[in-house]
Amino acid sequence: QQQVKQSPQSLIVQKGGISIINCAYENTAFDYFPWYQQFPGKGPALLIAIRPDVSEKKEGRFTISFNKSAKQFSLHIMDSQPGDSATYFCAASMGSGANNLFFGTGTRLTVIP
Amino acid sequence: DTGVSQDPRHKITKRGQNVTFRCDPISEHNRLYWYRQTLGQGPEFLTYFQNEAQLEKSRLLSDRFSAERPKGSFSTLEIQRTEQGDSAMYLCASSPPGGGTQYFGPGTRLTVL
Repeated sequence: QQQVKQSPQSLIVQKGGISIINCAYENTAFDYFPWYQQFPGKGPALLIAIRPDVSEKKEGRFTISFNKSAKQFSLHIMDSQPGDSATYFCAASMGSGANNLFFGTGTRLTVIP
Repeated sequence: DTGVSQDPRHKITKRGQNVTFRCDPISEHNRLYWYRQTLGQGPEFLTYFQNEAQLEKSRLLSDRFSAERPKGSFSTLEIQRTEQGDSAMYLCASSPPGGGTQYFGPGTRLTVL
């Protein structure tokens, strides 16, 4: 059973546009929600993370929006660039990230010039 | 380089052979995690250690899999009697005391022929 559901599976965005990836979870014990970026042949790299006591977190062009009541969170990439083309994974964990991560199935983002 | 390192980066083996992978975490990170990632999927948790103690094992970790972290520093993951279904990327991650961000290594890609 997939603990974290992610959509869309793939996304094509024009350079300068906004990329939006959505995730949903069921387990209310989750208290740490990171987003990872992965390039082919590389390990995932942390992009940004949020805890459920805030509804939004912004770091540069990346923003997480978090809706605790709906059990949903999303990643927004503003001013998308070709270098952002990668696979993005949302994840969730209990114990403030100390425990294992449950990952979504990933979104392959392609930013076209 | 102070990141998580994994060795080897690639391993090709024949079905039925045993393989062992090594992970060196970021120094002073007391938690170490193993994940498996198949093509087009997100990483799936296998097991994790706090110092030398193995605290949790996933049901994915069959009897053919064993992991150790004898001195609380590097860890090894051994797969006995490999099967074609074991072909995947094996990822290692570490996190500092208290939890939080998990930093991933580059992974070991296993191909079982």
